[in-house]
Amino acid sequence: ETGVTQSPTHLIKTRGQQVTLRCSSQSGHNTVSWYQQALGQGPQFIFQYYREEENGRGNFPPRFSGLQFPNYSSELNVNALELDDSALYLCASRFGTAVGYTFGSGTRLTVV
Amino acid sequence: DQQVKQNSPSLSVQEGRISILNCDYTNSMFDYFLWYKKYPAEGPTFLISISSIKDKNEDGRFTVFLNKSAKHLSLHIVPSQPGDSAVYFCAGGTASKLTFGTGTRLQVTL
Repeated sequence: ETGVTQSPTHLIKTRGQQVTLRCSSQSGHNTVSWYQQALGQGPQFIFQYYREEENGRGNFPPRFSGLQFPNYSSELNVNALELDDSALYLCASRFGTAVGYTFGSGTRLTVV
Repeated sequence: DQQVKQNSPSLSVQEGRISILNCDYTNSMFDYFLWYKKYPAEGPTFLISISSIKDKNEDGRFTVFLNKSAKHLSLHIVPSQPGDSAVYFCAGGTASKLTFGTGTRLQVTL
């Protein structure tokens, strides 16, 4: 399997709800990162996983959590959704410490 | 704390000419820098990178220059083509994350 696939592509949730976003990385890509991109901004780092362990976290509250699975898939979970969580969520993966990450097309989350 | 800045939100260049996109950074701890291109409704696509110990890297029509003393990097696209029209992000990288700028929208006109 090539590329990074994210699902769903679009999602509308209500404030206070919980959401799970999914990512399927390229085979062999044992490093996965999640980013939040607000309108008109660059992607902001949420966290990174390497071999199913979190090895980096950005300035996001604990209600943002993640999982990485042995089959190169991963999840981003957000609890107690707030209106400001509305954004494009991007998953990116790479093999080991390779420089270039491969990004998915993102999930557009709207919180109403 | 914006560690990576792209001060030009947009740039328009004629086809065939050189496009120069600029980026400034404040964090001296970046190990490398990258440029990504993004089309609407798609994820960012990796273009080119440069190690923090280099000052130039070239790949086809794309060249990235790094000026460490000025904490400045630039991406040169020569010659510019209409298909280059997109939003370009620079990013500083460490072992565990990328820090992106806010992007520059490049429009290549005929």
